Amino acid sequence: DTAVSQTPKYLVTQMGNDKSIKCEQNLGHDTMYWYKQDSKKFLKIMFSYNNKELIINETVPNRFSPKSPDKAHLNLHINSLELGDSAVYFCASSQAQAGNTIYFGEGSWLTVV
Amino acid sequence: AQSVTQLDSHVSVSEGTPVLLRCNYSSSYSPSLFWYVQHPNKGLQLLLKYTSAATLVKGINGFEAEFKKSETSFHLTKPSAHMSDAAEYFCVVAGGSYIPTFGRGTSLIVHP
Repeated sequence: DTAVSQTPKYLVTQMGNDKSIKCEQNLGHDTMYWYKQDSKKFLKIMFSYNNKELIINETVPNRFSPKSPDKAHLNLHINSLELGDSAVYFCASSQAQAGNTIYFGEGSWLTVV
Repeated sequence: AQSVTQLDSHVSVSEGTPVLLRCNYSSSYSPSLFWYVQHPNKGLQLLLKYTSAATLVKGINGFEAEFKKSETSFHLTKPSAHMSDAAEYFCVVAGGSYIPTFGRGTSLIVHP
């Protein structure tokens, strides 16, 4: 069974569109994350939720809105997509305590044309 | 505050020779340190982690890392590189606030 699964894996869309990426974890973790990986492989945290509550909200455009319907799911909705949003987006989860391993999904490759 | 620096953006080795990927960190707390590997078009997989137990940590696929507090380092090593080790490697530090901070990654190239 996949521990952290995200869909879709590949997404090509036009500028101005709205799209969502879904993420689910079956590990029983209470904390979930979204990371963005740019073309130079740099991973930057975007959001973190603990028990459905937002705890980290880094400086990202407000076109990006995370939604956590329950602690096993953290979806990422992006409005008015721009060319610069093209990247790989990784969902991850962990238990909240420092030192716990973060488990990553396989990534969602977003290309905005 | 915390930060992590991976000292080499690329490391190139021949198959069968040792691997050394360098990582220095800073943290206001007793850190937890991780190494992750990312193969092309894949997610990140945990190689090993240090959480204030033994300073020499053994991971998967023959990798190990040594926590050196005096040098604020957590270098990743492997005695003999294999072609399948070619990938991107990330050093991660997590501290009291538990905002995991990633290094910029080191691309390991393995030549036949």
